[in-house]
Amino acid sequence: GQNIDQPTEMTATEGAIVQINCTYQTSGFNGLFWYQQHAGEAPTFLSYNVLDGLEEKGRFSSFLSRSKGYSYLLLKELQMKDSASYLCAVRDDRGSTLGRLYFGRGTQLTVWP
Amino acid sequence: DSGVTQTPKHLITATGQRVTLRCSPRSGDLSVYWYQQSLDQGLQFLIQYYNGEERAKGNILERFSAQQFPDLHSELNLSSLELGDSALYFCASQGRDRTTGELFFGEGSRLTVL
Repeated sequence: GQNIDQPTEMTATEGAIVQINCTYQTSGFNGLFWYQQHAGEAPTFLSYNVLDGLEEKGRFSSFLSRSKGYSYLLLKELQMKDSASYLCAVRDDRGSTLGRLYFGRGTQLTVWP
Repeated sequence: DSGVTQTPKHLITATGQRVTLRCSPRSGDLSVYWYQQSLDQGLQFLIQYYNGEERAKGNILERFSAQQFPDLHSELNLSSLELGDSALYFCASQGRDRTTGELFFGEGSRLTVL
């Protein structure tokens, strides 16, 4: 099965940097996603990693280590609007679950002024 | 706008009733997923369809059923509703770019069972 762990809550101040970690265990790993979800809204795609290393996209970066089953999402120059839940999701390509994404419970980030 | 359309956006009903939630995927996407998200809970996978056929099943109750039609829209049927079924129900379609498999989410249907 899949086991995806991420912290439940984090807080940071405006302008700071925060790192949200995610660890996973899965048999048919074929990519890791980060999604942002504001309360009551749909999750929106932030980043995708399938190879080891860092992917940078503006203020957001995501890192993957497949051997360690570990990823992190780095948010720089935090803004109030970054207060949201951040979901780590792993793609599993085994058999009948081809391409299915498994989600962690999300990390609720609160940014203070 | 993700391109995925869900209706209704809000629904209030009573215990024991039955409701149908509808989802239209992005144009060209063949795969549809349904997720349930209760208050302060993560996204719980319910079921996946690909081009009209059921592909994978998650923790979907027997009182719930779904189907995907030839025009690729999907419906999630919830029957004998209980208070605990109150949640946000998301539909997502999977991009045809199989190098990522990114999911595009609809705005969700918020179900309140009283």
